[in-house]
This record gives sequence, C-alpha cells and structure tokens, in this order.
Amino acid sequence: SYELTQPPSVSVSPGQTASITCSGDNLEYKFTSWYQQKAGQSPVLVIYKDANRPSGIPDRFSGSNSGNTATLTIVGTQPVDEADYYCQAWDNTAYWVFGGGTKLTVL
Amino acid sequence: HLQLQGSGPGLVKPSETLSLTCTVSGGSISSSSYLWGWVRQPPGKGLEWIGSIYYSGSTYYNPSLKSRVTVSVDTSKNQFSLKLYSVTAADTATYYCAKASDSNGNWFESWGQGTLVTVLS
Repeated sequence: SYELTQPPSVSVSPGQTASITCSGDNLEYKFTSWYQQKAGQSPVLVIYKDANRPSGIPDRFSGSNSGNTATLTIVGTQPVDEADYYCQAWDNTAYWVFGGGTKLTVL
Repeated sequence: HLQLQGSGPGLVKPSETLSLTCTVSGGSISSSSYLWGWVRQPPGKGLEWIGSIYYSGSTYYNPSLKSRVTVSVDTSKNQFSLKLYSVTAADTATYYCAKASDSNGNWFESWGQGTLVTVLS
C-alpha cells in the first residue's frame, strides 16, 4: 500500500509563512492535492495538481512537489487559515490516498 | 453551482449494513470527466477514502475495505450510494460524498456536508 506522511502539527505567527510537508515514495511522480478542513466543516480543495489553485482560493496559498516531498505554503498566514490540512495523491494500486493531516495553529 | 447532499440513517447496529445516498444537484452525474466518491472521517481522526464510481458504473475501492463495500450509481435520480456491510464500532465516522476530477491526479473538487453515522447497539 502507498502512504503519505504529514507532521501532526505546525505553528505560525500571523503574517508569517507556514509550510506543511507531505512525504511519500517517489511522490514527485504523482500529482498532489491539498485540502483545508476547518472545525466542524467539510474539506475544501485549496491546491490541485501540485501547484494549481481553484477559483476562490487566495493566492497566499501555493504548492510544490519535488523528490519525495510535496509542500503547501501559506504566505502571510492569517488567523482564518487555522485549520487541519490534508494532502492527497493518486496511486495506481491504492488509488486515492490521504495523508494523516496537519493541524495548523496561528498564534 | 453543483452541490452534493448526503443522506441516510445516523445510527446503525453492529453487524448490520450502513447505507448512504448522495444526491447531486446543479449538474449531471452523467459526465465522463468526473468520478463520484465516498470519504469518511472517524471522530477526531483523519480522512479515509472508501470508494469511487464513474457514471458508467466502473468502480474503485479502498483495498482495506473492498470486501465490505459496494458503491453504486443511479443516473436517473442523479444519485450515487454507499453500502458498507458488517459494520463495527470502528466504522463510526462522518461520511462525505464528493466529486472527483478524472484528470491525472484525481482530486476531490467538491464535497457534501457530511453525514455522521454511529454504530451502536
């Protein structure tokens, strides 16, 4: 089976840059997506195909993927960005795979 | 604007079958560009993909759940459904229905509101 690993938590001060990583074997050869989930809400897609933002997602959100690690970066993090973030990739045998999630705290 | 609305019982007894339906509105389920999927989230835990289906009926299942899962589609009602058999307390979770792109990467671009299902005798 294929696995994606994320840090359980990341903390950032308002206005600073937050980076959340997602690691998996040969991840650079798979497209990675990222989802934001605020407390009590459904997940929302914030990045797809490694670095693309859906319409309506602020441009402070960006993504990259190189080697075995994909990264979600939030520049100028705002208190409203506090949420759980999940990476996801598609594998030929495991199909849709999610990372364990990262709790982003803005303080 | 496409919306997904999940529905079904919030309480299921152990060993019985969990059945949920997702109704798609504001768009057709019969598009070759998308798949329709189920994702669950146990209380306080992360997301787990369960299964996905094309409008044609072709399915993908999570290998760890495959023996207990059936996902089906009813294009006449613009709905797709989930059946999870022989449930236990470990199947207690919020179940989300979602629309996935068929493009390389297969991301979930729209999600329903989630249905909390508790397995309890």
